[in-house]
Amino acid sequence: NAGVTQTPKFQVLKTGQSMTLQCAQDMNHNSMYWYRQDPGMGLRLIYYSASEGTTDKGEVPNGYNVSRLNKREFSLRLESAAPSQTSVYFCASRTAYEQYFGPGTRLTVT
Amino acid sequence: GIQVEQSPPDLILQEGANSTLRCNFSDSVNNLQWFHQNPWGQLINLFYIPSGTKQNGRLSATTVATERYSLLYISSSQTTDSGVYFCAVEKWGGNSGYALNFGKGTSLLVTP
Repeated sequence: NAGVTQTPKFQVLKTGQSMTLQCAQDMNHNSMYWYRQDPGMGLRLIYYSASEGTTDKGEVPNGYNVSRLNKREFSLRLESAAPSQTSVYFCASRTAYEQYFGPGTRLTVT
Repeated sequence: GIQVEQSPPDLILQEGANSTLRCNFSDSVNNLQWFHQNPWGQLINLFYIPSGTKQNGRLSATTVATERYSLLYISSSQTTDSGVYFCAVEKWGGNSGYALNFGKGTSLLVTP
């Protein structure tokens, strides 16, 4: 099992550009999550999907959209990137009790 | 949402020393997990422990749910224990959804 995979690993965008971060899991989990991690802030939830076909906002959803494409895949889209979105982005999936993270995407917006 | 406070924020140990990391939370919880983020950024599950005590090698964790805190013990620390330790909690039902709230972490450096 690959677990949770994310692409790309690194990305540099200019202000105003758009991009989609991809996430996939092969553990047959219903729930998937997107977090961002900034220095000194811990992990903050952007969006989550409790099951295929549903998505909900987390703590910091502004500037992002998500798509739960199927049970395996959950993508995060930045429509018009801003420097404040420079961060490390983590995708996760979980069982009822335990959560597993992908390796992260380091995004820089200039 | 539930507030999660971790202490200390930073910790430096010599190899072989023991340490205790603390996580306080502001409400009753159904789920509590400890994670380790290694220096390469990877987040790894350590324990699922909403109550009671668990041990895994040199690491153990205790959660006293009635008093709203959890402790992570690291014994005979090694340089590979360096990184950031996160506590995350969740309360089911209500408006909280089905998602973990993370503390800001304890940054641990173990020196040779």
